[in-house]
Amino acid sequence: DAGITQSPRHKVTETGTPVTLRCHQTENHRYMYWYRQDPGHGLRLIHYSYGVKDTDKGEVSDGYSVSRSKTEDFLLTLESATSSQTSVYFCAVLGSYNEQFFGPGTRLTVL
Amino acid sequence: AQSVTQLGSHVSVSEGALVLLRCNYSSSVPPYLFWYVQYPNQGLQLLLKYTTGATLVKGINGFEAEFKKSETSFHLTKPSAHMSDAAEYFCAVSEAAGNKLTFGGGTRVLVKP
Repeated sequence: DAGITQSPRHKVTETGTPVTLRCHQTENHRYMYWYRQDPGHGLRLIHYSYGVKDTDKGEVSDGYSVSRSKTEDFLLTLESATSSQTSVYFCAVLGSYNEQFFGPGTRLTVL
Repeated sequence: AQSVTQLGSHVSVSEGALVLLRCNYSSSVPPYLFWYVQYPNQGLQLLLKYTTGATLVKGINGFEAEFKKSETSFHLTKPSAHMSDAAEYFCAVSEAAGNKLTFGGGTRVLVKP
């Protein structure tokens, strides 16, 4: 499982509140990614990081920000949650042979 | 921009029958291709990948896929379905090492006894 944990695993919040999801990895991977999964869309990239303090946008980055102050942690923040951000969020890391390994996911519900 | 199309959002097969999941992609450069499987309420697990070399790739759990450049396809097969193969399967492509993955919409496989 590439030593990836995500927290929290489940969260219910209200529209307009800030939310931070955490991805933690123990194997010193340089690249980390945040995806969201919605029915019929597969997974879509939100943001990714190619090193400490180095991040870039993915295809669905509006309404999300990220931070990476340490190699092992990659945080995803919803500044003001909306119902359209109800989804399952997955963190991933890039392995040694160009494959991505995924965390267990966080199910977020915005009421 | 890359895109990945998986034909059929749901596939039903009988136990012991062939499993065939179709994936077509668009990419302007030679791609890296992946198949992932997702069991209920779990993350994605890598089944197999194509980066370079042999175009027929074998993965875990008896699955294999063939990269056909002329057809821009990377279809996934398993000769004999097992009940434990019931899951959702995702095809994905990236254009460079370390680059972001573009996923297809997924195909949910139901295995009938």
